[in-house]
Amino acid sequence: DTGVSQDPRHKITKRGQNVTFRCDPISEHNRLYWYRQTLGQGPEFLTYFQNEAQLEKSRLLSDRFSAERPKGSFSTLEIQRTEQGDSAMYLCASSRPHLRGANVLTFGAGSRLTVL
Amino acid sequence: SQQGEEDPQALSIQEGENATMNCSYKTSINNLQWYRQNSGRGLVHLILIRSNEREKHSGRLRVTLDTSKKSSSLLITASRAADTASYFCATETGTASKLTFGTGTRLQVTL
Repeated sequence: DTGVSQDPRHKITKRGQNVTFRCDPISEHNRLYWYRQTLGQGPEFLTYFQNEAQLEKSRLLSDRFSAERPKGSFSTLEIQRTEQGDSAMYLCASSRPHLRGANVLTFGAGSRLTVL
Repeated sequence: SQQGEEDPQALSIQEGENATMNCSYKTSINNLQWYRQNSGRGLVHLILIRSNEREKHSGRLRVTLDTSKKSSSLLITASRAADTASYFCATETGTASKLTFGTGTRLQVTL
């Protein structure tokens, strides 16, 4: 168990470029989450997958954002035509339901995006 | 949107003192969890309390939950410099499988 891995850790890009982040969850976890966190704020939910199915998307996830989890393993989050407002830390987390249904998340270290 | 709000936003104490932070939330919950985040890193789960529980302990952590007031508190006893971090409450509600996080309390423990 190597934890949740995210790549890259830092990405600097120019406005209008596309960026893609990858998340490798804990192997036995069937749920995978993407959150966005800006400075001084708590994480905001973007989307989550159960196995390969994307079950919920936040209204924060505009049509420039797309997430995939092919084969229910790793996931990618792509942002097209980046804007300066997309600058944030993108956090991935995974989980498996605990006994009695509680959902405890294991987070990766995050991918920090800076849009110039 | 943020479900919870932590209070205070920032807290500075000396090593050995106790730290208390509070979380208020808006809707009925299944459980409430506390996470810690060191600067620039991911979040780490600390403790979970279910809606039918009122108090839980884990090491130097004590969590209380008052569902009538929709609030929770996290007490860290005998704080250490290594406790310096941001602390977030997160709620799991209804049939939703996601957690909704609060705005966080930044704790600074000085020697």
